[in-house]
Amino acid sequence: DAKTTQPTSMDCAEGRAANLPCNHSTISGNEYVYWYRQIHSQGPQYIIHGLKNNETNEMASLIITEDRKSSTLILPHATLRDTAVYYCIVRVDNNDMRFGAGTRLTVKP
Amino acid sequence: DTGVSQDPRHKITKRGQNVTFRCDPISEHNRLYWYRQTLGQGPEFLTYFQNEAQLEKSRLLSDRFSAERPKGSFSTLEIQRTEQGDSAMYLCASRRTGRAGANVLTFGAGSRLTVL
Repeated sequence: DAKTTQPTSMDCAEGRAANLPCNHSTISGNEYVYWYRQIHSQGPQYIIHGLKNNETNEMASLIITEDRKSSTLILPHATLRDTAVYYCIVRVDNNDMRFGAGTRLTVKP
Repeated sequence: DTGVSQDPRHKITKRGQNVTFRCDPISEHNRLYWYRQTLGQGPEFLTYFQNEAQLEKSRLLSDRFSAERPKGSFSTLEIQRTEQGDSAMYLCASRRTGRAGANVLTFGAGSRLTVL
């Protein structure tokens, strides 16, 4: 499976867009990009996933570069409740999801 | 849909004791997963079931760890002869099989184990 690289931590001002990058330069053609987040003391929560096209749902947008070697999760209007660890995972299917250390996003008032 | 339930939420035990965690997945989900998470790390995959069949168990951390899903509904994770290094959050997740990428994991809140 392709390995992912994410920054250890990021800050974002409340109300601003949070842009969380993920590098996955060894991704193969049939691997999906998944994003989950984990708020303190809770289990991970699914956010969004995509294969080639950009995706948007009620929580976030996922922008995947044309070569698929990187992606960006966008939270359009971050709130304090978006403070969490965000995980980017690349998998063919979602058995055996392998979570790295993720990016710790802190939304500041 | 009541989500994935885990019990107990917290368990404190003494070294050498056995502990068992229970997971009740979302009812229509046929796949069930166990993960372990230590402080500051992402969840680490342990094992998973499709219905009652355990399809992957090579990642269980040692032979002290075992999991069952006898009727294809709830699952248990047992740790025998606990050690202090077993202290962690044990997470359960479930999903429904289907088109690749289409079905995502729903996690429970986890069971936190502290071994004294």
